[in-house]
Amino acid sequence: SAVISQKPSRDICQRGTSLTIQCQVDSQVTMMFWYRQQPGQSLTLIATANQGSEATYESGFVIDKFPISRPNLTFSTLTVSNMSPEDSSIYLCSGGTFLNEQYFGPGTRLTVT
Amino acid sequence: AQTVTQSQPEMSVQEAETVTLSCTYDTSENNYYLFWYKQPPSRQMILVIRQEAYKQQNATENRFSVNFQKAAKSFSLKISDSQLGDTAMYFCAFMIWGSGTYKYIFGTGTRLKVLA
Repeated sequence: SAVISQKPSRDICQRGTSLTIQCQVDSQVTMMFWYRQQPGQSLTLIATANQGSEATYESGFVIDKFPISRPNLTFSTLTVSNMSPEDSSIYLCSGGTFLNEQYFGPGTRLTVT
Repeated sequence: AQTVTQSQPEMSVQEAETVTLSCTYDTSENNYYLFWYKQPPSRQMILVIRQEAYKQQNATENRFSVNFQKAAKSFSLKISDSQLGDTAMYFCAFMIWGSGTYKYIFGTGTRLKVLA
């Protein structure tokens, strides 16, 4: 199994600023993913964080807005850039290995004012 | 398009009773895995049960079992002997893979409340 932690757990940010969310896994995982979730809603995949290469973004998400890094097999960051109130959401990190269970972090609740 | 539909936004069940959560999905892929994940009010998602699409036998995990109908693209979750700790948001999902990567597609969720 794997345990995933995220920092910060929550933040309130001013519009126009950026926030970097960190995701740490306690064991090596092949794949790491970033999701956005409105409270009580489904998860929307933002991107797959690829180790040592550029992230793979889903339709509607772009690197300039959501730059992602993954320097090794246990760590990834997601930056929400030039924030607007529409970016207020819960951001979830997950990780796992192929055909096995995905583990999820506790999420980062972001409020943009 | 790859989609997952959970037609029951909210459900409730009496403690010790049985409840079934429905899920249908659409994919053109032949190889995929299906999952039910649970997200309690504390928010961290955990795996409930998994089903490989190539297996005809329905998966069972203690009080949790699935009814997998591949032709109908249906994947329902049955919770027997419901407990208060089963109160959570339940997400149906499938995993597809290719080109050295994979990803999950999640449904909209069913909020289950177990009543004492």
